[in-house]
Amino acid sequence: DAMVIQNPRYQVTQFGKPVTLSCSQTLNHNVMYWYQQKSSQAPKLLFHYYDKDFNNEADTPDNFQSRRPNTSFCFLDIRSPGLGDAAMYLCATSSPPTYEQFFGPGTRLTVL
Amino acid sequence: GEDVEQSLFLSVREGDSSVINCTYTDSSSTYLYWYKQEPGAGLQLLTYIFSNMDMKQDQRLTVLLNKKDKHLSLRIADTQTGDSAIYFCAEDTNAGKSTFGDGTTLTVKP
Repeated sequence: DAMVIQNPRYQVTQFGKPVTLSCSQTLNHNVMYWYQQKSSQAPKLLFHYYDKDFNNEADTPDNFQSRRPNTSFCFLDIRSPGLGDAAMYLCATSSPPTYEQFFGPGTRLTVL
Repeated sequence: GEDVEQSLFLSVREGDSSVINCTYTDSSSTYLYWYKQEPGAGLQLLTYIFSNMDMKQDQRLTVLLNKKDKHLSLRIADTQTGDSAIYFCAEDTNAGKSTFGDGTTLTVKP
């Protein structure tokens, strides 16, 4: 089945220790997104790629970076996680013209 | 600015209909979406509607769009306990980028 996969599902890191979250898709979609979601609030868009074009949200902290080495994979790097970065991180994909988004199951990040 | 608003909570009895409402602000939105999120999971697309449509029906789901009032609703017929979840309304604001509402928590009581 075509899908969006996120690894790991649960990640525990220490304050200040870099962490990388990964996302892969078998849908061959043009667009990939990274969202941060806290306490069942609205997902907050951090970045999105339209093919190789990178789009950074204005209020995404510098502590967060992203890479998309090819169509299928996208990574979220958190350089120095703080306690406030503990959240669910959601990856999603979409394609034109309808851009409905397909989400992965998320990675729950805990910062100790 | 772009903003999507939803009421935060809705409680219904099993077998009743649920209606979740949403207002949006970007009149140029081409598509509007409804997503469902169960605890600990990612969002799941339920349905979407093109902005030139008034209504879309898909099994137990009916979406109504009032473009003049920028009002979107999702009706779930014969609501079941498995429908308990958070429902997010979203609008397509910029070729691939969506703005999400804060979500409506639907509780279905037996």
